[in-house]
Amino acid sequence: DAKTTQPPSMDCAEGRAANLPCNHSTISGNEYVYWYRQIHSQGPQYIIHGLKNNETNEMASLIITEDRKSSTLILPHATLRDTAVYYCIVRNPLTTDSWGKFQFGAGTQVVVTP
Amino acid sequence: EPEVTQTPSHQVTQMGQEVILRCVPISNHLYFYWYRQILGQKVEFLVSFYNNEISEKSEIFDDQFSVERPDGSNFTLKIRSTKLEDSAMYFCASSAGTASTNEKLFFGSGTQLSVL
Repeated sequence: DAKTTQPPSMDCAEGRAANLPCNHSTISGNEYVYWYRQIHSQGPQYIIHGLKNNETNEMASLIITEDRKSSTLILPHATLRDTAVYYCIVRNPLTTDSWGKFQFGAGTQVVVTP
Repeated sequence: EPEVTQTPSHQVTQMGQEVILRCVPISNHLYFYWYRQILGQKVEFLVSFYNNEISEKSEIFDDQFSVERPDGSNFTLKIRSTKLEDSAMYFCASSAGTASTNEKLFFGSGTQLSVL
């Protein structure tokens, strides 16, 4: 699986959009970009994932660059409850090899302030 | 939404004692996992389990650890002789295992293990 690089921390004002970058320059063509978050030592929570196209769900939007070497997670209207560590992970879900290989890095600590 | 449940939420044990951490994965899922997170560190993969056998394990998952699916619903992690460094939050996870584009892991809320 490709490795990812994320900034260690970022702050965001409540009500504003939070844009979380992730670099994955060695991603291969069949690897998806997944985002999870972990709120204060709770279990990691799935947010969104995508391959090439931009994706949106009720939690967030995922923007993937055309060359797929980087992506941005967008929380459109951050709330205090969005304070968490956000993890960007690349993984191929279409094989039955290495099912355990959701490799978590250090992530980005996002603090939403009032 | 279906969820992975873990018990107990906190477990305190003496060094050298055996502990069993319990998990009930999402009912129609086929792959099960244990991860751990030592305080202030990354979430680390321990083991994955499919079709009643270990499919992959990390270097952390040594002979002190074992996993079992004793019945149709529970998935357990046993640590035979706990050490101080086993103190961590242990997360169970499950996935449908369909090798589809929507494959994702669902995590439980964790068991905080404290070894004294």
